[in-house]
Amino acid sequence: GQQLNQSPQSMFIQEGEDVSMNCTSSSIFNTWLWYKQDPGEGPVLLIALYKAGELTSNGRLTAQFGTTRKDSFLNISASIPSDVGIYFCAGRPYSGGSNYKLTFGKGTLLTVNP
Amino acid sequence: NAGVTQTPKFQVLKTGQSMTLQCAQDMNHNSMYWYRQDPGMGLRLIYYSASEGTTDKGEVPNGYNVSRLNKREFSLRLESAAPSQTSVYFCASTSGNNQPQHFGDGTRLSIL
Repeated sequence: GQQLNQSPQSMFIQEGEDVSMNCTSSSIFNTWLWYKQDPGEGPVLLIALYKAGELTSNGRLTAQFGTTRKDSFLNISASIPSDVGIYFCAGRPYSGGSNYKLTFGKGTLLTVNP
Repeated sequence: NAGVTQTPKFQVLKTGQSMTLQCAQDMNHNSMYWYRQDPGMGLRLIYYSASEGTTDKGEVPNGYNVSRLNKREFSLRLESAAPSQTSVYFCASTSGNNQPQHFGDGTRLSIL
């Protein structure tokens, strides 16, 4: 099946630093989503992207849909301790028709040192 | 404002026991999904229901069955639990085929 390569697998940063993570695919996607998962909870949607080149912000978070439609990145500016968690990318492969399934990356574990 | 509700939150089973995990959404969503999450594996799709009355296999369906009881509810059944099915199970729903999925808080299942 489809594979998404998410990197890095983990990051340890100091409070106040900026963070960048990305996902790449070998095939074209028509939707990119970024989720955050806190311990003991389900993933929560952060940002949804629907067009190649689209750049969308949600507070200190910014995500972009790559122009090749095969990648996406998420930036977090001025990190704070509550940014700790696992960040997942997810994408919907282009299929030419209805596609109800998402493909998920394996996640980036973010640790923020106060 | 419940969203997606999963029950139970925790469960311990013995090998060979059966169990049904329940999921309900109050967002009038058409599509519902069951995933399992294992360390280092991300989220893997078990089964999904694109609309009421339909179900389809995902990436890892073996050992599971599902029922889309109505538009709100989508249950996952383990007929004969195995230790390899120890995992965290998430239910999700979406309003349409190009819309984000919304997740429940998960069921943590241990099989001894």
